[in-house]
Amino acid sequence: EAQVTQNPRYLITVTGKKLTVTCSQNMNHEYMSWYRQDPGLGLRQIYYSMNVEVTDKGDVPEGYKVSRKEKRNFPLILESPSPNQTSLYFCASSPLDRTNYGYTFGSGTRLTVV
Amino acid sequence: DQQVKQNSPSLSVQEGRISILNCDYTNSMFDYFLWYKKYPAEGPTFLISISSIKDKNEDGRFTVFLNKSAKHLSLHIVPSQPGDSAVYFCAAIDQAGTALIFGKGTTLSVSS
Repeated sequence: EAQVTQNPRYLITVTGKKLTVTCSQNMNHEYMSWYRQDPGLGLRQIYYSMNVEVTDKGDVPEGYKVSRKEKRNFPLILESPSPNQTSLYFCASSPLDRTNYGYTFGSGTRLTVV
Repeated sequence: DQQVKQNSPSLSVQEGRISILNCDYTNSMFDYFLWYKKYPAEGPTFLISISSIKDKNEDGRFTVFLNKSAKHLSLHIVPSQPGDSAVYFCAAIDQAGTALIFGKGTTLSVSS
């Protein structure tokens, strides 16, 4: 089954404790991206990657890091989480084919930073 | 500044009737528009899209209309079903294809 898999689904952590949210896709998509969803703000892009070793900032990159060492994986790293990073996070992937923009999203990771 | 706007946070419709969800955008360089549907505790699911060179796209009960001069698009669902109750996000992508820019979403409730 074609899918984007995120782990964990739920995470509660303390301020300053480094964490990684994993994202993996099995569709051989070139493009991967991270979004956060907050009440009243919709979905905002954090980082994206057009291919292996190619990453760039989205609209709200502060406090986050990413890496793309393999095509299928795109982990989101919070080096020193803060309470304002409490949010619902989604990973998405898509082919670069411009006639097919049906981004596939993971099921989400709900992160709480206390 | 918000580039994709969904000005109605919620919409209530009776089963069998038409649901019309609206979306406005400000960036004339947007190349492609998409609608996503989201249920609680799940990721957004792609619903339907339209290229900027078209003014209409249909897929079953779902039709998207694009009015480029007004920078406006709408999603029509006919007939509406209770299972359509979800949050609907309008999204746009620019010619560089580097970002999917979302509106804030409209919660659709279809009552039986």
